[in-house]
Amino acid sequence: EAGVAQSPRYKIIEKRQSVAFWCNPISGHATLYWYQQILGQGPKLLIQFQNNGVVDDSQLPKDRFSAERLKGVDSTLKIQPAKLEDSAVYLCASSLGSGGGSPLHFGNGTRLTVT
Amino acid sequence: QKEVEQNSGPLSVPEGAIASLNCTYSDRGSQSFFWYRQYSGKSPELIMFIYSNGDKEDGRFTAQLNKASQYVSLLIRDSQPSDSATYLCAVNVQGAQKLVFGQGTRLTINP
Repeated sequence: EAGVAQSPRYKIIEKRQSVAFWCNPISGHATLYWYQQILGQGPKLLIQFQNNGVVDDSQLPKDRFSAERLKGVDSTLKIQPAKLEDSAVYLCASSLGSGGGSPLHFGNGTRLTVT
Repeated sequence: QKEVEQNSGPLSVPEGAIASLNCTYSDRGSQSFFWYRQYSGKSPELIMFIYSNGDKEDGRFTAQLNKASQYVSLLIRDSQPSDSATYLCAVNVQGAQKLVFGQGTRLTINP
């Protein structure tokens, strides 16, 4: 079974620039998550999709972050404009079920550095 | 109060000993509990999940859940240097239908 695919692996941008991350979940997984992990902290949920719909985006900074899930499969997360505090690893995960009751499977993450 | 709390460590354990990692949570309605291992520079990988009170064993790993005390733990028997990593506790938040992670405990196994 292919795992969760993410790209790019690394990205370095200057503040106020924009950046986009891509994620392809495990085939058949209805739920897709984007987490932000700052160095030394646990992952923080940014947005959770169930098929095409958003289940939770309460911690997504909507003035600069946006996300979409195309046709209930692939997803993109965008930051525009980036701030220094956005430097983190952005993890995409998927699960078979929803509601936080199913194990999450993570991609390799994208390490973003904002200078 | 944080939704999921872990001691950030570092926790240092000699090789061959039992490592004990602890996690408390605030939502009494939580039903699903997960332990993830994260090596430096890597993404989290699932070690165990537990849904019912009591113990669940898988090889050298045992998860323990006490819902009355809102406490979940992970025991690693016969600790190996390869177990050195950060261990993340994750708990579902019933009302919000999402999984919340603790800050992680950094574990070091000393040869």
